[in-house]
Amino acid sequence: DTGVSQNPRHKITKRGQNVTFRCDPISEHNRLYWYRQTLGQGPEFLTYFQNEAQLEKSRLLSDRFSAERPKGSFSTLEIQRTEQGDSAMYLCASRLDFSGNTIYFGEGSWLTVV
Amino acid sequence: QQQVKQSPQSLIVQKGGISIINCAYENTAFDYFPWYQQFPGKGPALLIAIRPDVSEKKEGRFTISFNKSAKQFSLHIMDSQPGDSATYFCAASSYGNKLVFGAGTILRVKS
Repeated sequence: DTGVSQNPRHKITKRGQNVTFRCDPISEHNRLYWYRQTLGQGPEFLTYFQNEAQLEKSRLLSDRFSAERPKGSFSTLEIQRTEQGDSAMYLCASRLDFSGNTIYFGEGSWLTVV
Repeated sequence: QQQVKQSPQSLIVQKGGISIINCAYENTAFDYFPWYQQFPGKGPALLIAIRPDVSEKKEGRFTISFNKSAKQFSLHIMDSQPGDSATYFCAASSYGNKLVFGAGTILRVKS
């Protein structure tokens, strides 16, 4: 049973550096979501894909953030010129259309910007 | 703009007691209301979910009660156990779109 896989699980980076996170959704899940979660808060929606198309982006996703899902399989979330405020857990989730609304989350990628 | 309001922020319950967490929503287009459980360092895991066409759903020790007219729903954990100690999030979505989460409730079950 392979769930949503995220890498790396932890990343410490210096302010101003670029970081990239990868998400491998559950096989055949056509919808893929990115959320951000800070300590003591619920996950906040960033963006989602249906297959390879990015259908919605939150206002939280500044110009320094970019997400891709080439060929509708895995996805990457890149943060350029990181700031301390970017420190958070980045969660990926996936869902299969027409199978109900259950969204399955990965274990998350922790980012610490120092 | 918080579309789902969750209370309380934290809750301490004795082992064997009932844990109750409440949520209220504003968007009447929401048609799916899940609860997620999250342990430290882990991603959220779906616990139980309900649609607005039923007023209650029970799965084992977990029950969702739903009040459409009041735009409120709640999670009841019966016979709470120390292993239930976690953070619980309510959420809502419409037409299979993105989930909007509440702020979370930290539950501690004392043995």
